[in-house]
Amino acid sequence: DIQLTQSPSFLSASVGDSVTITCRPSQGISSYLAWYQQKPGKAPKLLIYAASTLQSGVPSRFSGSGSGTEFTLTISSLQPEDFATYYCQQVNSFPRTFGQGTKVEIK
Amino acid sequence: QVQLQESGPGLVKPSETLSLTCTVSGGSVSSGSYYWSWIRQPPGKGLEWIGYVFYSGSTNYNPSLKSRVTISVDTSKNQFSLRLISVTAADTAVYYCAREGYYYASGYYYYMDVWGKGSTVTVSS
Repeated sequence: DIQLTQSPSFLSASVGDSVTITCRPSQGISSYLAWYQQKPGKAPKLLIYAASTLQSGVPSRFSGSGSGTEFTLTISSLQPEDFATYYCQQVNSFPRTFGQGTKVEIK
Repeated sequence: QVQLQESGPGLVKPSETLSLTCTVSGGSVSSGSYYWSWIRQPPGKGLEWIGYVFYSGSTNYNPSLKSRVTISVDTSKNQFSLRLISVTAADTAVYYCAREGYYYASGYYYYMDVWGKGSTVTVSS
């Protein structure tokens, strides 16, 4: 199985900050990576697929980059509704696997 | 728009079988463009992919659960289902159904773009 390691696991930031979350697969996965946002008690929501393609309806302050063994999710100007947990997922091979999550909290 | 809704018992006894159904509305489970997936999340933990089914009935399972899991599709009811046998407390989780689609550009870039709200299942006597 491909393991995904996210860093940091926890992030404290203020409204307006720019934040970056990193996802590192245990082996190269080209651009076969998606990012999800999950709020407490809710289902995950797709933000980005193919490493950098923004899902329809997702604000442009979210962006993704990377390929191979290092990927990043950047939120350019953190808004109150962005405080949540973020997961990366690899879709290069089976089984699909997720990172352990990065919780973004208000400073 | 497409919506998914999980249904099934919220409490299952140890060693028994967990059964959940996902009803698809606003779209068809018979679409050849999507895979119909199950994902679970234990309390306070991350996401674990269980597997998926295609409208034809073909499946793909997580090897960690493969010996205990069956995912099936009922096109007449526009539903797909999860069956997990011999459950233990470790199977206590929120179970989500989701639609997996793809974007093709020199490769198939899959993603889960529609999710159900989740069904909480507790395994306890």
